[in-house]
Amino acid sequence: EAQVTQNPRYLITVTGKKLTVTCSQNMNHEYMSWYRQDPGLGLRQIYYSMNVEVTDKGDVPEGYKVSRKEKRNFPLILESPSPNQTSLYFCASSFVGATNEKLFFGSGTQLSVL
Amino acid sequence: DQQVKQNSPSLSVQEGRISILNCDYTNSMFDYFLWYKKYPAEGPTFLISISSIKDKNEDGRFTVFLNKSAKHLSLHIVPSQPGDSAVYFCAASKNTGNQFYFGTGTSLTVIP
Repeated sequence: EAQVTQNPRYLITVTGKKLTVTCSQNMNHEYMSWYRQDPGLGLRQIYYSMNVEVTDKGDVPEGYKVSRKEKRNFPLILESPSPNQTSLYFCASSFVGATNEKLFFGSGTQLSVL
Repeated sequence: DQQVKQNSPSLSVQEGRISILNCDYTNSMFDYFLWYKKYPAEGPTFLISISSIKDKNEDGRFTVFLNKSAKHLSLHIVPSQPGDSAVYFCAASKNTGNQFYFGTGTSLTVIP
């Protein structure tokens, strides 16, 4: 089954404790991206990657890191989480280059930073 | 600055009636528009899209209308069903890339 898999689904942590949210897709997509969803703000892009070893900042990259060492994986790293990073996070992927592409989303990771 | 706007945070409609969800955008370079549907505890799923060369696209009960001069699009659901109750996100992109800009979402409740 074609899917984007995020782990964990729920995570509670404390300020300053490094964490990683994993994302994997099995559709051979070149493009992967991270979004956060906050009330009244919709989906905002954190980082994206057009292919292996190619990453770029989205609209709200502060406090986050990403890496793209393999095509299928795109982990999101919070080196020193803060309470304002409490949010619902989504990973998404799609092909690059084809016209009229659409994003496929994971099920989300609800992060709470205390 | 929000380039894609959904000004109605919520909408309630009776079952069987039409639901109309609206979306406005500011960037005239956008040429591809999508609607996503999101249920609680799930990721957004693609619903329907429209290219800027069209002004209407239909898929079953769902129709998207695009008014380029007004920079406005709308999603019509006819007839509305209780299972349509979800948050709907409008998104826009430039055909040259994979960057998608999302609106803030509209929560639709279809009342049985």
